[in-house]
Amino acid sequence: EADIYQTPRYLVIGTGKKITLECSQTMGHDKMYWYQQDPGMELHLIHYSYGVNSTEKGDLSSESTVSRIRTEHFPLTLESARPSHTSQYLCASSEFRDEQYFGPGTRLTVT
Amino acid sequence: GENVEQHPSTLSVQEGDSAVIKCTYSDSASNYFPWYKQELGKGPQLIIDIRSNVGEKKDQRIAVTLNKTAKHFSLHITETQPEDSAVYFCAPRSGGSYIPTFGRGTSLIVHP
Repeated sequence: EADIYQTPRYLVIGTGKKITLECSQTMGHDKMYWYQQDPGMELHLIHYSYGVNSTEKGDLSSESTVSRIRTEHFPLTLESARPSHTSQYLCASSEFRDEQYFGPGTRLTVT
Repeated sequence: GENVEQHPSTLSVQEGDSAVIKCTYSDSASNYFPWYKQELGKGPQLIIDIRSNVGEKKDQRIAVTLNKTAKHFSLHITETQPEDSAVYFCAPRSGGSYIPTFGRGTSLIVHP
């Protein structure tokens, strides 16, 4: 089983609040990713990182930001949550160009 | 970028039947072809993968076949069981990239 963790698992928050979704992995992987999964199942890449101090935006435009100060930690922040941010957020990591290891996800609801 | 199509979007079978999901890709430089399974409330998990120098790979009831000429690969599940019910994703990746392109997913329902 993959050693990649996400907290919180569920979050209900009001509009305008700042939130940070946590993602940590203990496998020493350089590559980390954030996906947004819509109710129709499709996975959309919103951010990725190739290593410490490296972050890039993915295919889907997102109002969130990320940071990579430590190899094992890749948090995602929303400065001002809106109902349109309601979704499932999945964090993943990989080594070289092989399989991605996914965390269990954070289900975010913005009211 | 890579264009990926996955079919069908929903597949309903009786326990014991076989299930086949097909993934078509556009980038001829793709060389890694994984299938992920996502159970309810969990993140996707790799169940089988194949590389471009191999045509078929089997792991018990699961197999993946690759046709590089036609640019498609398929997931085969034999003797399906209710615990196979999940969403399945293909995610081909080009040799020059760390970023896979995920298909839109197939919801497999196995009826007891």
